Amino acid sequence: GAVVSQHPSWVICKSGTSVKIECRSLDFQATTMFWYRQFPKQSLMLMATSNEGSKATYEQGVEKDKFLINHASLTLSTLTVTSAHPEDSSFYICSATLAGGGNEQFFGPGTRLTVL
Amino acid sequence: GENVEQHPSTLSVQEGDSAVIKCTYSDSASNYFPWYKQELGKGPQLIIDIRSNVGEKKDQRIAVTLNKTAKHFSLHITETQPEDSAVYFCAARGSGNTPLVFGKGTRLSVIA
Repeated sequence: GAVVSQHPSWVICKSGTSVKIECRSLDFQATTMFWYRQFPKQSLMLMATSNEGSKATYEQGVEKDKFLINHASLTLSTLTVTSAHPEDSSFYICSATLAGGGNEQFFGPGTRLTVL
Repeated sequence: GENVEQHPSTLSVQEGDSAVIKCTYSDSASNYFPWYKQELGKGPQLIIDIRSNVGEKKDQRIAVTLNKTAKHFSLHITETQPEDSAVYFCAARGSGNTPLVFGKGTRLSVIA
C-alpha cells in the first residue's frame, strides 16, 4: 500500500516550453502533497506544499508563476514548469501524506527534467 | 524553523560490518523522525521511522535510536550488504502536515 506514482519519469524539452508533471496516490487519498526538487548529489529541497482544493503554499524563493501547482483531487497533484529554461533542469519528486492523519510521507519515483 | 544536520556525508564499510549515520535537529517540538534510502535515479524510500515517544526501534538489520534531550537520532545498519549501498537521508517533522526537513544525506558504500 501507500504507492505514489509520477508521470512522466523523464522528459526532455526545448527552452521556452512548458512541462506538466503528474503525481498520483494510487491506493490512498492524500490530503497533502509536497513537491521537491533535487540537484545532483544534493538533498531534497521543498518547493511547495499542496492541499487538495486550495492554493499551494510556496517556499521562499520559489516562483509561484513559474511552478504552477494544482491539487484538484485527493489523488492527483500536478506541477507545471512554465517557460522552462536550462537552469530548471532537475529531478522533481512529489510526496503525499495519508488523509486522516499519520506522519508517514510517501515519495514518488521522481521525474527527471532536462531543458535544452 | 527546523534545521537538520547529518554526518558523515560519505561512509564506506566492508561487507558484514555495521554502519552508523547520525543526525541532530534544532526544534524541540519535532516529533517524527524518518529515514529514507535513495538509490540512483529513484525517489526516496522510507526504511524506518521513530516517533518522539519512543527511544529505539528495530526492523531486522536496521535500527534507529532517538535521544530527545540531546536532540539527536541515529540509523544503525548491521551486517551490511552491497545492496545497502545508497544515499540515506534523515528528516524531522513537527505535528500535523508540516513538511519534513531533510538532512543533506550520507552516501553509503558497502565494499564486497
